[in-house]
Amino acid sequence: GQQLNQSPQSMFIQEGEDVSMNCTSSSIFNTWLWYKQDPGEGPVLLIALYKAGELTSNGRLTAQFGITRKDSFLNISASIPSDVGIYFCAGRSTYNQGGKLIFGQGTELSVKP
Amino acid sequence: EAGVVQSPRYKIIEKKQPVAFWCNPISGHNTLYWYLQNLGQGPELLIRYENEEAVDDSQLPKDRFSAERLKGVDSTLKIQPAELGDSAVYLCASSHTPGLGGTGELFFGEGSRLTVL
Repeated sequence: GQQLNQSPQSMFIQEGEDVSMNCTSSSIFNTWLWYKQDPGEGPVLLIALYKAGELTSNGRLTAQFGITRKDSFLNISASIPSDVGIYFCAGRSTYNQGGKLIFGQGTELSVKP
Repeated sequence: EAGVVQSPRYKIIEKKQPVAFWCNPISGHNTLYWYLQNLGQGPELLIRYENEEAVDDSQLPKDRFSAERLKGVDSTLKIQPAELGDSAVYLCASSHTPGLGGTGELFFGEGSRLTVL
């Protein structure tokens, strides 16, 4: 079945640094979603992408839908302590598995003040 | 607008006992999902409802898990009997139906954390 590879698994950065993480798929997706999950909470939607090549920002966050439709990237600029958490990518293809949303394994971000 | 509401937030039971989780989706969302999240992993779909119909339950272990959404709004997920390996977070999410005027963006509840002893 479809799988998502998300990397890196974890990151330890200094406050103020920029962060990049990505997700790759074995097959084509037509939707990419990026979520953040804080401890003890459910995932919260950050950015949604619907077209290949699309670049979308949400404050200090920017995500891109890869032109091959098999990958997506999330960048966080000028990180702050409240960026700490686990970031998940999720992809959906209406061509496979009835449009089921599949999640990556997550990138755990730690920010040192 | 109220978000997805789940209860209980935490549940500790002994193995072989039954347990049930409840979810109230965002008003107007006709698609409801139950996800399982193990520690250090991303959510994995257990079952998806379109209104009251289960349209994808292929990953639901039907020998011990059951779910219902009788009136197309609230849903319950039940485990009977629970096993040690069922310890996890059970997440409920809702969305407008993807492709039918909706983008299919999922909104999650806070989750129900189950510990089986």
